[in-house]
Amino acid sequence: KNEVEQSPQNLTAQEGEFITINCSYSVGISALHWLQQHPGGGIVSLFMLSSGKKKHGRLIATINIQEKHSSLHITASHPRDSAVYICAVGRGGSEKLVFGKGTKLTVNP
Amino acid sequence: DTAVSQTPKYLVTQMGNDKSIKCEQNLGHDTMYWYKQDSKKFLKIMFSYNNKELIINETVPNRFSPKSPDKAHLNLHINSLELGDSAVYFCASSQDSVPGTQYFGPGTRLLVL
Repeated sequence: KNEVEQSPQNLTAQEGEFITINCSYSVGISALHWLQQHPGGGIVSLFMLSSGKKKHGRLIATINIQEKHSSLHITASHPRDSAVYICAVGRGGSEKLVFGKGTKLTVNP
Repeated sequence: DTAVSQTPKYLVTQMGNDKSIKCEQNLGHDTMYWYKQDSKKFLKIMFSYNNKELIINETVPNRFSPKSPDKAHLNLHINSLELGDSAVYFCASSQDSVPGTQYFGPGTRLLVL
């Protein structure tokens, strides 16, 4: 079993819908990262968080350390949000990131 | 100005050849990484350097050899290429060695025939 599990694997939504992508992990972490990979292949870091909640525009990331769970929310989704969203954790005491398998989001107009 | 750049973007080569991918970052970061993304889009760390010193060396065949001439550059040399090496290779950098926010290069799509 992968140390980082994401759900769902695939998600299709209509424009304007509220989106939630989940990430669970099984190891102690120093921080959790949310990344976005565009259809063209480029990868952008969205958030790095170790507690609580962060917001950037229509994107919100939350983390519950006790439950080892994080969520990425997209409000008022738009077709340009269509991408693969990847959760990654920095393992406590380690310099490396461990990645989930990604959630492919498609937002239809 | 591109923050993290990689060359080439595409690389098509025959089995058995040796090839190199170059990476440069102009962010002043101390740490650079090489990641491999397989056909299922799964990302995995290969190597990490902090101030030209190797700090992560995952279970990667020794045909792969990273080289960091200075902290702004991290190149990846691959000897005796195999079909299974076909993937997208991403370079990234972060300020700290305990992985901070990652800045990714555009990726190099390698196809071994």
